[in-house]
Amino acid sequence: GQQLNQSPQSMFIQEGEDVSMNCTSSSIFNTWLWYKQDPGEGPVLLIALYKAGELTSNGRLTAQFGITRKDSFLNISASIPSDVGIYFCAGRNSGTYKYIFGTGTRLKVLA
Amino acid sequence: GAGVSQSPSNKVTEKGKDVELRCDPISGHTALYWYRQSLGQGLEFLIYFQGNSAPDKSGLPSDRFSAERTGGSVSTLTIQRTQQEDSAVYLCASSFSRTDRLFFGSGTQLSVL
Repeated sequence: GQQLNQSPQSMFIQEGEDVSMNCTSSSIFNTWLWYKQDPGEGPVLLIALYKAGELTSNGRLTAQFGITRKDSFLNISASIPSDVGIYFCAGRNSGTYKYIFGTGTRLKVLA
Repeated sequence: GAGVSQSPSNKVTEKGKDVELRCDPISGHTALYWYRQSLGQGLEFLIYFQGNSAPDKSGLPSDRFSAERTGGSVSTLTIQRTQQEDSAVYLCASSFSRTDRLFFGSGTQLSVL
């Protein structure tokens, strides 16, 4: 099925560093969601974005809805070991109910 | 309930057997989705329910897969004559409306031997 492109696919970072990841689509979306998935668990919603250009924070996490409406970005500041996991973006177009999910970014934090 | 509940959390079955996976959505959520996640992969859409109706079954991989929802609440995903390629995590999500955010359960890890 259709998927969004996320990058990077994986990254190792040092504790305390900032992290950036992005998600791109060939289609225009009107909603972007960012999730984190820990091993053996379902994805947990981190941030929801509803308007082009919107910048929303949740603690150390900040996400942006790209101006073109074809991309979104997630930043994590001052990473800590519990940030380890897989981060997924999901997008949905106006008038549809189905969210399309990205391929995921696997984050590993080195203490 | 407080969150989306799925059962069983793990299921090991033999090739050719049928399995049923259950999902209890968040109370009041009218929309319910099933996704499949293969090892190390993203989420693959299977089916969407609005109330008890399934307007989109386009993601079901074959006619061995079926799902139903009763009372606008609990949903059951059934896989008949399981194959090894059916092994995956099956995730259920619900939302307040068809345009709202998705909230996921912890999934059912299905292993077909």
